[in-house]
Amino acid sequence: DAGVTQSPTHLIKTRGQQVTLRCSPKSGHDTVSWYQQALGQGPQFIFQYYEEEERQRGNFPDRFSGHQFPNYSSELNVNALLLGDSALYLCASSFWGRGANVLTFGAGSRLTVL
Amino acid sequence: GQQVMQIPQYQHVQEGEDFTTYCNSSTTLSNIQWYKQRPGGHPVFLIQLVKSGEVKKQKRLTFQFGEAKKNSSLHITATQTTDVGTYFCAGPDSSYKLIFGSGTRLLVRP
Repeated sequence: DAGVTQSPTHLIKTRGQQVTLRCSPKSGHDTVSWYQQALGQGPQFIFQYYEEEERQRGNFPDRFSGHQFPNYSSELNVNALLLGDSALYLCASSFWGRGANVLTFGAGSRLTVL
Repeated sequence: GQQVMQIPQYQHVQEGEDFTTYCNSSTTLSNIQWYKQRPGGHPVFLIQLVKSGEVKKQKRLTFQFGEAKKNSSLHITATQTTDVGTYFCAGPDSSYKLIFGSGTRLLVRP
């Protein structure tokens, strides 16, 4: 039973570039949430996808966008990268039918913006 | 918007000592969850509390949900070096987004 898988694990970009992060949810889960975790901080909610639609969105600019595919996997895209976007990006999956809020996290993608 | 606050920010204990972290929400919660993140790792779900005044135990860990469903605590008895990490509480807001606290980082001296 595979857990949540994320790729890539680490990446380095420069300001102004764009990045795409990928996530495959745990088997049996249909909902994907993305979180940003800055060093020493708690995870901050970016958005949540269910049935290929964005269902919830946190306080993040439109530079952050996402997508969910029919197989429940998801992508997070960030455009026009800023230095402040450097963080650990966590994907978490859950099952919508159980309230979708007990989360299984992936190992994360650590983004460094230079 | 809803805020979830945790204290203390850091706790450094001698192995064998007890540890407690406290979580307070600005709003009443339908449930509260606790997660543990080891250094360099990702958050791992520990437990969910739903009922007012609920107390649950997992071996040396005791979790409590306040009567008003606005606060919670995690108590670890006789800490071990394997308890090292950051403990987060999290609760759903009015639109069911899970909001995390800032965490309490536990360091254990062997």
